[in-house]
Amino acid sequence: KNQVEQSPQSLIILEGKNCTLQCNYTVSPFSNLRWYKQDTGRGPVSLTIMTFSENTKSNGRYTATLDADTKQSSLHITASQLSDSASYICVVSARGSSNTGKLIFGQGTTLQVKP
Amino acid sequence: DAGITQSPRHKVTETGTPVTLRCHQTENHRYMYWYRQDPGHGLRLIHYSYGVKDTDKGEVSDGYSVSRSKTEDFLLTLESATSSQTSVYFCAISEPTLAGGHNEQFFGPGTRLTVL
Repeated sequence: KNQVEQSPQSLIILEGKNCTLQCNYTVSPFSNLRWYKQDTGRGPVSLTIMTFSENTKSNGRYTATLDADTKQSSLHITASQLSDSASYICVVSARGSSNTGKLIFGQGTTLQVKP
Repeated sequence: DAGITQSPRHKVTETGTPVTLRCHQTENHRYMYWYRQDPGHGLRLIHYSYGVKDTDKGEVSDGYSVSRSKTEDFLLTLESATSSQTSVYFCAISEPTLAGGHNEQFFGPGTRLTVL
């Protein structure tokens, strides 16, 4: 069964600190992996998207890595800010779903950045 | 929210009543999706549309129907709402690429539905 699992479920860090969120997936055949940020009361917004051949991608203070062999991804946040407080969702697309755009979502990691 | 609006944004209704949620886009994207988001679950696909009058079921379609009579509008109907349909509903849009596959999905702001 295609699944996406994220850890930790929730995380609290102090402003200015770094953190890393994890994503493991069992989706096959793999097409791409995305990280979304969802602020409270808002819809998810895409941070990065990586295909099979890409193993790292950055978007400002956000850096995503992908190991397609171990089927793991991580999202590293550098020098956290209060505005980083949100839920971060790992999303995987299977190659067979490329004509429908169907995605498989993780449950998300809730990050709280404290001053 | 990438030219996507959802209405209403909040709704409280009673068990057994019909409810229709609307998603409207100004991006002219061909694909539209309805998801629900519940604690302890990732976003789950209810129904999606790949063109006007073309729709298909997602993983949690029981109790829901959809319609798409125009490119810009995708309606989600709960014929007889139940308490288990209390959730936050998100609409999303995407456009297929020339090489196959899809560009990213853009999400609307969500509708919070409470069924008493």
